[in-house]
Amino acid sequence: NAGVTQTPKFRVLKTGQSMTLLCAQDMNHEYMYWYRQDPGMGLRLIHYSVGEGTTAKGEVPDGYNVSRLKKQNFLLGLESAAPSQTSVYFCASSYSTPRDTEAFFGQGTRLTVV
Amino acid sequence: SQQGEEDPQALSIQEGENATMNCSYKTSINNLQWYRQNSGRGLVHLILIRSNEREKHSGRLRVTLDTSKKSSSLLITASRAADTASYFCARTKFNAGNMLTFGGGTRLMVKP
Repeated sequence: NAGVTQTPKFRVLKTGQSMTLLCAQDMNHEYMYWYRQDPGMGLRLIHYSVGEGTTAKGEVPDGYNVSRLKKQNFLLGLESAAPSQTSVYFCASSYSTPRDTEAFFGQGTRLTVV
Repeated sequence: SQQGEEDPQALSIQEGENATMNCSYKTSINNLQWYRQNSGRGLVHLILIRSNEREKHSGRLRVTLDTSKKSSSLLITASRAADTASYFCARTKFNAGNMLTFGGGTRLMVKP
């Protein structure tokens, strides 16, 4: 009964380092999303995918890249981390378009860039 | 940028009281959803209300939608300490790939 699983849960990076956040879902969902949450800002969409092999930019895509090589996985990459990317990152998935269905969220990854 | 705003930003009530949170938005919506986030955790879906619906219930939760006023409200009746959390409304935007966009949330504290 895993749902949406994010790894790692915590990470501290130095400015300029790179890393990849992994999101895995076991619900056979087509849609997957990456959001970031900053204090008082709610959640902002970084990138999303509407199916295996597809990706699209969200509201705040700069500085991030994503890949969806397998239906169950959605990777978020930071090529050169900056302090402005300090945030809590959430992955989510949904069976179909959010026009019609709810999203399921992971527990989050707390990233600090120093 | 935020599609709208939740109001109030913070709410503190006593256990047993009702809690009402409001959400306003600016553009046309397909549906509106409410989520809860406990401290340090992910978001959990509560209710989805479609643009052609006016009210939905789920247990102690009641959601209303007024598309003419571009607003929605979430009512939690007979609140419990376990209801302490942040509550977010989210809506899909036609001009944003129909993806979910979130407001800043309402932080609810229910005192025992």
